[in-house]
Amino acid sequence: GPKVLQIPSHQIIDMGQMVTLNCDPVSNHLYFYWYKQILGQQMEFLVNFYNGKVMEKSKLFKDQFSVERPDGSYFTLKIQPTALEDSAVYFCASSLEGPSNERLFFGHGTKLSVL
Amino acid sequence: GQQVQQSPASLVLQEGENAELQCNFSSTATRLQWFYQRPGGSLVSLLSNPSGTKHTGRLTSTTVTKERRGSLHISSSQITDSGTYLCAMERNNNAPRFGAGTKLSVKP
Repeated sequence: GPKVLQIPSHQIIDMGQMVTLNCDPVSNHLYFYWYKQILGQQMEFLVNFYNGKVMEKSKLFKDQFSVERPDGSYFTLKIQPTALEDSAVYFCASSLEGPSNERLFFGHGTKLSVL
Repeated sequence: GQQVQQSPASLVLQEGENAELQCNFSSTATRLQWFYQRPGGSLVSLLSNPSGTKHTGRLTSTTVTKERRGSLHISSSQITDSGTYLCAMERNNNAPRFGAGTKLSVKP
C-alpha cells in the first residue's frame, strides 16, 4: 500500500542544537501531519499542513518548531533549539484529502534523543 | 481535558477468543479511525467510519456519534494480533486526536 518514509529512523543530538526531521509523504497526497509520542505515552498531535500553510497546531507545537515542504520535496519538522523534553518518537502522516475525508497513512517514526 | 478515552487499558486473551475495545470521546466527532500500533511503533490504519458498523476481515468497527462512543471487535484473536490499538477521533476538519490505546496480548 501507500508508504510514508521518514528519515532518519533515529537521531541523537545535544540539547540546544537544531534538528530537522524529514518525511517523504505518499506521492499524490496533499495534507501532512506531525505527531509526537513519548515512550509509553499517548500519540499527541502537533501540526497539520496544507498548501504551504499550517492549518492547525496544538499547544505542543512550540515557537521553536517549524514545518515546511519546499518545492514538493520532503515535509520537514525543524526544532531550533532543542530541549530535553523534545525527546520522543515523531511520526509523520499524509492524506490525499483533508481530515475527516480520508484515511491517514503514517511513517515508521523518527526517534529523537536529546542529550 | 482528555478528548478520547479508551478502555480497557490492557487486555490478555487466549488465542481464539474475541476482543471488544471501547472508545469514548468528550465532544462531537465527525469520524473515528482505528489504528494498530506494532510493538516497534509503526501505525497501520485498520478501519475508519463516521457512524454505523463497518467490517473488514475479523474486525468490526461500530461508531455511535450521538452517544460519543465507538468500539472495535476482533473475532477469533490470533497471536499476531498482539499490539496496541489506538482510537482516533476527528471533529469537523481537525486532525485526528488519539486515545491512550488498548494494549492487547494474545497468548497461545
